[in-house]
Amino acid sequence: QKEVEQNSGPLSVPEGAIASLNCTYSDRGSQSFFWYRQYSGKSPELIMFIYSNGDKEDGRFTAQLNKASQYVSLLIRDSQPSDSATYLCAVRGPSKAAGNKLTFGGGTRVLVKP
Amino acid sequence: GAGVSQSPSNKVTEKGKDVELRCDPISGHTALYWYRQSLGQGLEFLIYFQGNSAPDKSGLPSDRFSAERTGGSVSTLTIQRTQQEDSAVYLCASSLNRGQETQYFGPGTRLLVL
Repeated sequence: QKEVEQNSGPLSVPEGAIASLNCTYSDRGSQSFFWYRQYSGKSPELIMFIYSNGDKEDGRFTAQLNKASQYVSLLIRDSQPSDSATYLCAVRGPSKAAGNKLTFGGGTRVLVKP
Repeated sequence: GAGVSQSPSNKVTEKGKDVELRCDPISGHTALYWYRQSLGQGLEFLIYFQGNSAPDKSGLPSDRFSAERTGGSVSTLTIQRTQQEDSAVYLCASSLNRGQETQYFGPGTRLLVL
């Protein structure tokens, strides 16, 4: 079992719709969770981070964390063609055991169609 | 600098040669990370430096890989006797590391071993 799992996609959504991305992780002690966006041929850029259970909203993006179920999700509202990219979920484990390294999922490719 | 910089941006080498990849983190960031991303794959942690502490080398795939960080700033990742499976994008990231800080990525070095 991979430590961080994502559906590879592609997730195809029409422009203006909501894109819903999911990520599950295996280490119950994980403390912080990140969503990065990566355009083809580019490096990852941070979209959001979340530490506490519940929802966190930032513009068109909402991250949702459920530690009991060990999943974190990302919602993209009013999806735009410019949102077409690969979205990487990253998890940081308990600081003493895992240091500050991030464990990444394989990414979900999102395609927003005009 | 304004962001993490890496050089070279692209490197083509012959199997068996040694290569050095450079990373210059964001000014003031004490933590530095190296990751590798193979074609179509997620990011794989390689090594992590934090201040003057011993680096976390747990992700280095073999003893052909080594890294150093001089003066707490610039880091060099060295791959000796390169193999074709070393072909990947090597990404460097840095963070303030005063808690659960976000990692910011450089543009990466695309390595191709022929």
